[in-house]
Amino acid sequence: EADIYQTPRYLVIGTGKKITLECSQTMGHDKMYWYQQDPGMELHLIHYSYGVNSTEKGDLSSESTVSRIRTEHFPLTLESARPSHTSQYLCASSDTSGIFGSYNEQFFGPGTRLTVL
Amino acid sequence: KNQVEQSPQSLIILEGKNCTLQCNYTVSPFSNLRWYKQDTGRGPVSLTIMTFSENTKSNGRYTATLDADTKQSSLHITASQLSDSASYICVVSDRGSTLGRLYFGRGTQLTVWP
Repeated sequence: EADIYQTPRYLVIGTGKKITLECSQTMGHDKMYWYQQDPGMELHLIHYSYGVNSTEKGDLSSESTVSRIRTEHFPLTLESARPSHTSQYLCASSDTSGIFGSYNEQFFGPGTRLTVL
Repeated sequence: KNQVEQSPQSLIILEGKNCTLQCNYTVSPFSNLRWYKQDTGRGPVSLTIMTFSENTKSNGRYTATLDADTKQSSLHITASQLSDSASYICVVSDRGSTLGRLYFGRGTQLTVWP
């Protein structure tokens, strides 16, 4: 079982609110990712990080922002939530060394289901 | 365009029966292919991972095959159980970038009935 955590698991908020989705991993992985997933659809990469102080935008354009101040922590922030942000957000991490390194094996958190009214 | 296509979109089987899920991909250059199981409301969990040189990999009742020439993979589930009800996602990784970009299929939603 992967040691990657996301909070909150469920969040219902009103339009215009600022929110932060938390993601933490205790595996010491250097790479971390945020994915967005709508029901019945594939995961889309929205942000990733190679390590501390490194953040990049993914394939899917997102109004969210991320930060990576510590290796284990990769929070995602929406400054002003809108109904179009309603989705499932999944955080993942991977290690570029060790047995899984060559595979870029990604371990996923349980996800945050966000609903913006 | 790199893509991963899965079939069927959904599948219902009776407990104890076997089933096979399909995955076709166009990702190039290919690095590896993995199958994930995603329970409703949870994150995906890796079942198997195969590189170019591997054509079969088992994990308990799950057996994945890979034909890198035809760019096809299948996931066979033997003696299904109610707990197998989930979405099964085929994911292909390329080796064209340092990120090791993952390309996700939309998944096959499997329902096992008692």
